[in-house]
Amino acid sequence: DAKTTQPTSMDCAEGRAANLPCNHSTISGNEYVYWYRQIHSQGPQYIIHGLKNNETNEMASLIITEDRKSSTLILPHATLRDTAVYYCIVLSNTDKLIFGTGTRLQVFP
Amino acid sequence: DGGITQSPKYLFRKEGQNVTLSCEQNLNHDAMYWYRQDPGQGLRLIYYSQIVNDFQKGDIAEGYSVSREKKESFPLTVTSAQKNPTAFYLCASSPRGGAGYNSPLHFGNGTRLTVT
Repeated sequence: DAKTTQPTSMDCAEGRAANLPCNHSTISGNEYVYWYRQIHSQGPQYIIHGLKNNETNEMASLIITEDRKSSTLILPHATLRDTAVYYCIVLSNTDKLIFGTGTRLQVFP
Repeated sequence: DGGITQSPKYLFRKEGQNVTLSCEQNLNHDAMYWYRQDPGQGLRLIYYSQIVNDFQKGDIAEGYSVSREKKESFPLTVTSAQKNPTAFYLCASSPRGGAGYNSPLHFGNGTRLTVT
């Protein structure tokens, strides 16, 4: 199963862009990169996913490098409500979504 | 509104008792999953099911059992054989599993089980 590596924690000022990196150097050609976030004591919330191309939706943008070995989730204008643990996940070929420990993003005023 | 319902939100049991956690979805999703989360940890997969009457063990299936008799329901039983059952349990579903498939998981809001 492809594994991901994320920084343990990050800080971001409110109103600024939050850029969350993720390494997935063993990703296979047909595996998607997914991002979820989890606010304390709630279920994870889907944010965005992509295969090769950069993706954007109402929540965030996903930038995937050309070699697909890493990606960056961008929250363009972080708010206090974006404080959460962010998980970068690669969908494995055994149909299992494998979660790591994620990045704890703290947005401060 | 469609979604995943886990009940109850909080559950307390005595050691040695089996307990069943409920998970119901009205999203018409084929695949359903159970994860366990311990404080400060990521999610670990317990069991998953891609179709009715079929399910597979995840990474930490020992001490747990599941059934998938109906598409919308995937109950998880925590048995007395599970050595450390106190945890936050999350149920999820997706239209279909499969590597590379374009189908995000939808999660319920979890059940926090405490065994004393």
